[in-house]
Amino acid sequence: SQQGEEDPQALSIQEGENATMNCSYKTSINNLQWYRQNSGRGLVHLILIRSNEREKHSGRLRVTLDTSKKSSSLLITASRAADTASYFCATDSLFYFGTGTSLTVIP
Amino acid sequence: DAGVIQSPRHEVTEMGQEVTLRCKPISGHDYLFWYRQTMMRGLELLIYFNNNVPIDDSGMPEDRFSAKMPNASFSTLKIQPSEPRDSAVYFCASSLGFGSNTPLHFGNGTRLTVT
Repeated sequence: SQQGEEDPQALSIQEGENATMNCSYKTSINNLQWYRQNSGRGLVHLILIRSNEREKHSGRLRVTLDTSKKSSSLLITASRAADTASYFCATDSLFYFGTGTSLTVIP
Repeated sequence: DAGVIQSPRHEVTEMGQEVTLRCKPISGHDYLFWYRQTMMRGLELLIYFNNNVPIDDSGMPEDRFSAKMPNASFSTLKIQPSEPRDSAVYFCASSLGFGSNTPLHFGNGTRLTVT
């Protein structure tokens, strides 16, 4: 399966702290995407990283990819209450999403 | 761009009734996906279309589920007859092109409750 699995399942931090969540997958990929889902809403695309990239930045988001370990991490720096959401990774097929990491940022 | 539009936002129905969920993809997008999300199973792909043609419906749980895309701007997902275990949030998503370098654009879903 090319399904990505997020870890941890849930994460609770104080506003201003950094949040790190991880994604592991089983087969070789060309690209990996991260999505955010706010409560009661659909998923929103955050960032895409290609297999030949090791790190990518977008505002307060930093994504890393380690193809040798078949894993990716999403770092949110200086978290805000508005970052409270579930975060999902999706690998090549985009057909399969993991169960996500539920992030709570406490004001 | 209004994004992907789904209706209704909430649907409550009794077991055995027919349910129809609707989706309007982003104009110009040639791929449309239907997903189902539950706490237990996460986000599951049910079916996807390319240029209004169903490509893969292997995720459709059973014959009670059917999906159509009569034109590029409209798709429906029908459940007949509905059962309590169909209760979930159903999402429609569209994309321009297909592949892992193409982001999906999701609607805000239809929360279905079958009593």
